[in-house]
Amino acid sequence: GENVEQHPSTLSVQEGDSAVIKCTYSDSASNYFPWYKQELGKGPQLIIDIRSNVGEKKDQRIAVTLNKTAKHFSLHITETQPEDSAVYFCAANPTSGNTPLVFGKGTRLSVIA
Amino acid sequence: DTGVSQNPRHKITKRGQNVTFRCDPISEHNRLYWYRQTLGQGPEFLTYFQNEAQLEKSRLLSDRFSAERPKGSFSTLEIQRTEQGDSAMYLCASSRQGNIQYFGAGTRLSVL
Repeated sequence: GENVEQHPSTLSVQEGDSAVIKCTYSDSASNYFPWYKQELGKGPQLIIDIRSNVGEKKDQRIAVTLNKTAKHFSLHITETQPEDSAVYFCAANPTSGNTPLVFGKGTRLSVIA
Repeated sequence: DTGVSQNPRHKITKRGQNVTFRCDPISEHNRLYWYRQTLGQGPEFLTYFQNEAQLEKSRLLSDRFSAERPKGSFSTLEIQRTEQGDSAMYLCASSRQGNIQYFGAGTRLSVL
């Protein structure tokens, strides 16, 4: 089955700097890769996703890149703000969202004002 | 679109008791998923439904766990004879087939 590794487990950045979180996956059949943000006491909230027919996707300060050959994908947050502080999870899915997601262990991002 | 609703938000129980959680998915979402999340980990899949049919169960779902979605709308997750190792956040998500999974706020279970 699919296995998703996520790094780093914790990340501290100064406000205004960029943050990068990286994930690798094992199942070459995976073709859907969402990223979720989880704040304390809340459920995961989707912030961006990418499908395997696309190499990069951007939404304002957030971007995701995908390298299918290397089986890794990354989340990039630019101009970080204190409200970006949260736990971020990457996930992979072999059937474009039709079946359960396999999550990484999460990255706790702290943005220092 | 009122979002995925889960009740209760918190549940404290004694070891050996039974507990039941409820999930109300987003209206018209035909898929409903249950995940479990322990401290410092990502959500782990438990089971999922398409309409009222339970399509897959994880090996994490022991015989003490049962889930239902009787009319293809809300779902319940029951844990019988709870153990301390069952303490976790239980998350529900829903989606239209092939699309984004939206999560509820979860039910935090503490087994004393």
